[in-house]
Amino acid sequence: AQSVTQLGSHVSVSEGALVLLRCNYSSSVPPYLFWYVQYPNQGLQLLLKYTSAATLVKGINGFEAEFKKSETSFHLTKPSAHMSDAAEYFCAATPFYGNNRLAFGKGNQVVVIP
Amino acid sequence: DVKVTQSSRYLVKRTGEKVFLECVQDMDHENMFWYRQDPGLGLRLIYFSYDVKMKEKGDIPEGYSVSREKKERFSLILESASTNQTSMYLCASGGGANTEAFFGQGTRLTVV
Repeated sequence: AQSVTQLGSHVSVSEGALVLLRCNYSSSVPPYLFWYVQYPNQGLQLLLKYTSAATLVKGINGFEAEFKKSETSFHLTKPSAHMSDAAEYFCAATPFYGNNRLAFGKGNQVVVIP
Repeated sequence: DVKVTQSSRYLVKRTGEKVFLECVQDMDHENMFWYRQDPGLGLRLIYFSYDVKMKEKGDIPEGYSVSREKKERFSLILESASTNQTSMYLCASGGGANTEAFFGQGTRLTVV
């Protein structure tokens, strides 16, 4: 089955510094890929998605992600962290072919240091 | 706006009880999902459904069953609740074929 790997459960970043969250997928055929964000006591909301149209995907709140097939990766970045970026971030994938099973990584808890 | 509604935000049940968690979506989505979320483990898929009366096991189906009699409603059933099923349960609909999944607010279940 499709799996998604996110390394480093907790990520600390200084306000104004680069945010980099890593995501790797396991399938030989690139899946559809997503990044979701979860603020405290809220449900998940979509940040951005990769649908094979473009390898660099821009999302909400200044986030973007780059799909690299050779590295089976879909890392999330934001050039300058803001205090409001403190949240949990999840990478997810659904197969390009076959069923629509949606698999998530373990998540990254981002802490922004003033 | 797409709406995914879970019947309860907080639930406390006793060990051995049969527990029903209900989820309703209003966007005519074919796919619906149940996940549990635990600290450090992310979202783990319990079951998903790709059509009425159609379901597939996810990664952790043991101790759970599901029901989808109508397209808009997907129920998660804990046949005999145990303390290790204390968790946050998230329902989602949509997803697949490059479309995003929409999530409910979650049900925090405590089994005592």
